[in-house]
Amino acid sequence: NAGVTQTPKFRVLKTGQSMTLLCAQDMNHEYMYWYRQDPGMGLRLIHYSVGEGTTAKGEVPDGYNVSRLKKQNFLLGLESAAPSQTSVYFCASSYRQGRITDTQYFGPGTRLTVL
Amino acid sequence: LAKTTQPISMDSYEGQEVNITCSHNNIATNDYITWYQQFPSQGPRFIIQGYKTKVTNEVASLFIPADRKSSTLSLPRVSLSDTAVYYCLVVPYSGAGSYQLTFGKGTKLSVIP
Repeated sequence: NAGVTQTPKFRVLKTGQSMTLLCAQDMNHEYMYWYRQDPGMGLRLIHYSVGEGTTAKGEVPDGYNVSRLKKQNFLLGLESAAPSQTSVYFCASSYRQGRITDTQYFGPGTRLTVL
Repeated sequence: LAKTTQPISMDSYEGQEVNITCSHNNIATNDYITWYQQFPSQGPRFIIQGYKTKVTNEVASLFIPADRKSSTLSLPRVSLSDTAVYYCLVVPYSGAGSYQLTFGKGTKLSVIP
């Protein structure tokens, strides 16, 4: 049971390039999330998904797109990278428990630098 | 969403008990109080969650007074490995998932030998 994994761990892009970050979970969780964390800051929600085939915007969605074609995978895309998107990106997932708020399980993060 | 306020940083010696207080004055009736821990270069990890009074698990205790406008995370006998950032979150219970997590800057705990 690997939990939440993220690919790649590190990446350097030039301004204007595109890339896709992959998040995978093997816990059969319904919900998945993408966050970004900037130095000295807390995490900010980019996009999330409450089930296969559904996505929704979070707090800072501009410049990002997501897809959830399979329940276990959540992709985060940058179509035209900008230096302001230099950050550490975390993926998380959670299972709807029904009676209490759900614990989110986080991946190890992807460190992205845009030059 | 209720806003939380917690100290930016704290220092403690090994073996001491550490209490981190979080204020959440506008907490709503259906909100839960949740704490996450984040080690350097890792994603956050759930520590504990509670609604009122006291909750204890193998890692920490959470104290919530009757008015629920604040909460205190207690870490017993900290070690160097407890050096991390601790986030206090107020999470609305909607029955439809906790996707509305809002992470502040957290409290950076440094444990000194």
